[in-house]
Formats: sequence, structure tokens, C-alpha cells
Amino acid sequence: NAGVTQTPKFQVLKTGQSMTLQCAQDMNHNSMYWYRQDPGMGLRLIYYSASEGTTDKGEVPNGYNVSRLNKREFSLRLESAAPSQTSVYFCASSGTLGAWEAFFGQGTRLTVV
Amino acid sequence: AQSVTQLDSHVSVSEGTPVLLRCNYSSSYSPSLFWYVQHPNKGLQLLLKYTSAATLVKGINGFEAEFKKSETSFHLTKPSAHMSDAAEYFCVVSPSGAGSYQLTFGKGTKLSVIP
Repeated sequence: NAGVTQTPKFQVLKTGQSMTLQCAQDMNHNSMYWYRQDPGMGLRLIYYSASEGTTDKGEVPNGYNVSRLNKREFSLRLESAAPSQTSVYFCASSGTLGAWEAFFGQGTRLTVV
Repeated sequence: AQSVTQLDSHVSVSEGTPVLLRCNYSSSYSPSLFWYVQHPNKGLQLLLKYTSAATLVKGINGFEAEFKKSETSFHLTKPSAHMSDAAEYFCVVSPSGAGSYQLTFGKGTKLSVIP
């Protein structure tokens, strides 16, 4: 089983450039999430999608947009990258009945110069 | 509203000695609680979960945690540390019940194991 797959694994952007981080899960989960991880900050929720067709802001949504393309795919877009968006980004999914644990992708290490 | 506080940002133990990673939570609802582990340059992996069944929860690799409602704590323990346990550990809280999808992460505790 692939689980949660994120692409790309690494990316370097110049300030002002745009890019989309892709995420797909094959576990038939309803909910998907995007987090960013910064040293000493833990994981902070950027956006989430409770189910196909819905998206909601998390703790740190500014500068990001998301699309829940279908049940499997949830993308994160940076329209105009800033150095403050240098981080490791994790996609996750959850929704197995009776347990709310999340399954995480391997992460995307993004550097904005 | 919910929050998680991991009381130590860094814990160092000798190989073969016990591990204690402390976590306190705050939740308006009856919570589900989790511990995740992240090895260097890897994604997060679920260690164990509490979802209102037994208060003592056993996880993978010999870890366990006890849910104490009166103390609002969910500390992670292991009787004997192994070198492979060196990683960062995250305590996570989620409100229980249908439609409760949001996870709140603690800031993490980095565990070092000294040979």
C-alpha cells in the first residue's frame, strides 16, 4: 500500500514564484490535511478538507490555497512564495471509522530564497 | 477549544534506562489522544492512541501511555530505551465524535539516547 504520497520531496523557489504541492491517498479516507513543520513549533494546520467538496482554514492559512480535487487528492498552492514559507510540509489523511489517527506522507522540504 | 503542552522540549536518557515523555492536554470535549514519532527526515508514524477505551494504552516498540483525566495528562513511557528510539515525539489531541477531524499537535519532545 502506498498510503499518502506527496510530490515533490524537495523544492527551491525564488521569492514571488508559485507552485503546487500534490498529495494523494489510497486509503479511501474522507479527511485530508496540510501541515507545516517548523523547528520548535510542532506541526501547524494550514488547511483541511473534512470530506470531498469541502475545505476549511486551519491555524496558519495566509499565503496558501487548497483544492480537494476528488476523494483521493488534496493540493496546496503557494501563489507568491515568501521566505517565511520555508518549511517542511506534510499532507495527512484520516477517517477510518472509530479511530481518528492520521496517516502522513513523507513530507516536502521547501526553501524560498 | 483544545490544546496540548509537551512539558519537555528535549529529553536525554541512557540506553537501557526508562523513558518518560510528558504531555498535558486541554479539551472542551472528551478527547482522543495520540502519540506520534518522527525519525530524522521522515514522516510521522502513529505510536499509540487513546479513544475512550482502556486508560492504559500499549503501542508499538514497547511504548505505552496512560490517560489520566483527573490530571489531564497522557504521558508516554518505555521501560528500557533503545538507540533506535532516538527521534522526536509529538502528543496530539482530537475531539471525539463524528465530524471531529481536527488534530492539535504539541510542539514536540526530542529524545536522545546515549549509548
